[in-house]
Amino acid sequence: EADIYQTPRYLVIGTGKKITLECSQTMGHDKMYWYQQDPGMELHLIHYSYGVNSTEKGDLSSESTVSRIRTEHFPLTLESARPSHTSQYLCASSDLAQFFGPGTRLTVL
Amino acid sequence: SQKIEQNSEALNIQEGKTATLTCNYTNYSPAYLQWYRQDPGRGPVFLLLIRENEKEKRKERLKVTFDTTLKQSLFHITASQPADSATYLCALLSGGSYIPTFGRGTSLIVHP
Repeated sequence: EADIYQTPRYLVIGTGKKITLECSQTMGHDKMYWYQQDPGMELHLIHYSYGVNSTEKGDLSSESTVSRIRTEHFPLTLESARPSHTSQYLCASSDLAQFFGPGTRLTVL
Repeated sequence: SQKIEQNSEALNIQEGKTATLTCNYTNYSPAYLQWYRQDPGRGPVFLLLIRENEKEKRKERLKVTFDTTLKQSLFHITASQPADSATYLCALLSGGSYIPTFGRGTSLIVHP
């Protein structure tokens, strides 16, 4: 069944640690996105990709980086986590509509 | 600048009634307008897409209208149920772009 997956669902980590949030999709979509969303607040686009080896920064400045080596995989990395990175991170893929993963709730202590 | 407005106040209605949510936009000429549902702690779920040359779209108990003159979309849920309680987001997409602009969403609470 076509779907989009994110791991881990929850992550609590100390300041300064390097983390990678995983996102994979079996939808066959070329376009993938990362959003950041705080509770009750709007979605903010932080990265997107139109295909393999294509990555762009979104509207919200982010200290994270992404890579797109395979069509189905779009991981997000934080080299040195800080408390200000505490948020929910949502991955999506699209043809015209966007299909979101379940999200990763990140807490940096 | 482009702006999308959705009512920030929660909409409270009784079960069985029709819920109507509004999405207004300015400084935008979208080719597509989309509606999503988001439950707490989860990612948004796509519901409906309507094109600029379409006036109305229906799917089961859902109906979306799109008035490009008024720069407004209305989202209706008929025979609402408590399970329809969630936040509903509208999103606009320009022709040739794959980056949607999302509204902040309106919370719907359906009381039994």
